[in-house]
Amino acid sequence: AQKITQTQPGMFVQEKEAVTLDCTYDTSDQSYGLFWYKQPSSGEMIFLIYQGSYDEQNATEGRYSLNFQKARKSANLVISASQLGDSAMYFCAMREGGSEKLVFGKGTKLTVNP
Amino acid sequence: EAGVAQSPRYKIIEKRQSVAFWCNPISGHATLYWYQQILGQGPKLLIQFQNNGVVDDSQLPKDRFSAERLKGVDSTLKIQPAKLEDSAVYLCASSYQSTVPYEQYFGPGTRLTVT
Repeated sequence: AQKITQTQPGMFVQEKEAVTLDCTYDTSDQSYGLFWYKQPSSGEMIFLIYQGSYDEQNATEGRYSLNFQKARKSANLVISASQLGDSAMYFCAMREGGSEKLVFGKGTKLTVNP
Repeated sequence: EAGVAQSPRYKIIEKRQSVAFWCNPISGHATLYWYQQILGQGPKLLIQFQNNGVVDDSQLPKDRFSAERLKGVDSTLKIQPAKLEDSAVYLCASSYQSTVPYEQYFGPGTRLTVT
């Protein structure tokens, strides 16, 4: 079974609007961490936001917030006030237990239209 | 602070040839990772080093891939002989305990094309 599932191969959003990128995960560990990374066309992976499994509050970093629903095993990324520079691939990833290993989903390509 | 450096950025080789990639992590980062990212997929961990020791190489195709991290700093990933299915971007990342547990910092990647 896939550990990380991103069901949206591509998403489109108008500039200045909000967009939600979906991510569901599968783990039997009680302790885990969820990450979102952005990958522009230049190729580097840029860390955006992190949510620990024991964190009670949803993580926020500027225009990025993570909608963490533990019972549903979902960790959706919300980008508010989209900008043209947000156009990129977005990857959800998970770290389980004490491991540092990240398992990535297949990604969602976000296109922001002017 | 300098980021993770990788070279070369692009490489084209014929199948059955050998190739090597180099990575220099962020100064002070003890953990180094090599990922393979095939087009249309997320990165897949090939090998993880803690200083100069291997922590996880369970997904490294050891019949053709090898990696080393001498002196616990720079690392080299080698493929010998290359196959067509090795065409991918090879990403190096490093990490140090921070406020985000095990946050990984990635380099720009090396895009390998095997013809």
